[in-house]
Amino acid sequence: DAGVTQSPTHLIKTRGQQVTLRCSPISGHKSVSWYQQVLGQGPQFIFQYYEKEERGRGNFPDRFSARQFPNYSSELNVNALLLGDSALYLCASSGQGRLETQYFGPGTRLLVL
Amino acid sequence: QQQVKQSPQSLIVQKGGISIINCAYENTAFDYFPWYQQFPGKGPALLIAIRPDVSEKKEGRFTISFNKSAKQFSLHIMDSQPGDSATYFCAASTANFGNEKLTFGTGTRLTIIP
Repeated sequence: DAGVTQSPTHLIKTRGQQVTLRCSPISGHKSVSWYQQVLGQGPQFIFQYYEKEERGRGNFPDRFSARQFPNYSSELNVNALLLGDSALYLCASSGQGRLETQYFGPGTRLLVL
Repeated sequence: QQQVKQSPQSLIVQKGGISIINCAYENTAFDYFPWYQQFPGKGPALLIAIRPDVSEKKEGRFTISFNKSAKQFSLHIMDSQPGDSATYFCAASTANFGNEKLTFGTGTRLTIIP
């Protein structure tokens, strides 16, 4: 079975631009979470969606938004990019909203110049 | 505000030795404590997890020790192998159904030398 997939794997943007990152959960998983991992630090929680509803939001500015589609895939959008948004963006999916069943994808590496 | 403090930042252990990584938390509402292993270019992978109703959990060479009164938990890797060289993160959550926010530590880069 395929794991969590994310696209693109890498991308480079300039300050002020907008970016959309995509995540496909493991088949049957209805919960998707997004994390930001700055180099040398632990992942920071951004959003969680379960059954297409937002279940949690981390301490990130309104420039960050997300949504979950009927097929449970998800998009993370970041507007007005700042240099500090450069990070690895991780998506994780789980079955039945249980952390014990959560798997992370390989991430999207975003570089803002 | 860092709610999970992890130490050491880096660790070098000889092959066959015991690797020990420690974490401390502040939020007494946390009731799920996982450890993740991350290799370069990969996402974190769940290694082992514990809930506060037990003081120790062992899976193969990996053991979590949990001290609720001290609000501390640790990962022990027995018979450490070069393939264990990776970055390890502790985390904590209030694992209510449908709530999956994990608060991660800052990570420990483990290197196993022959």
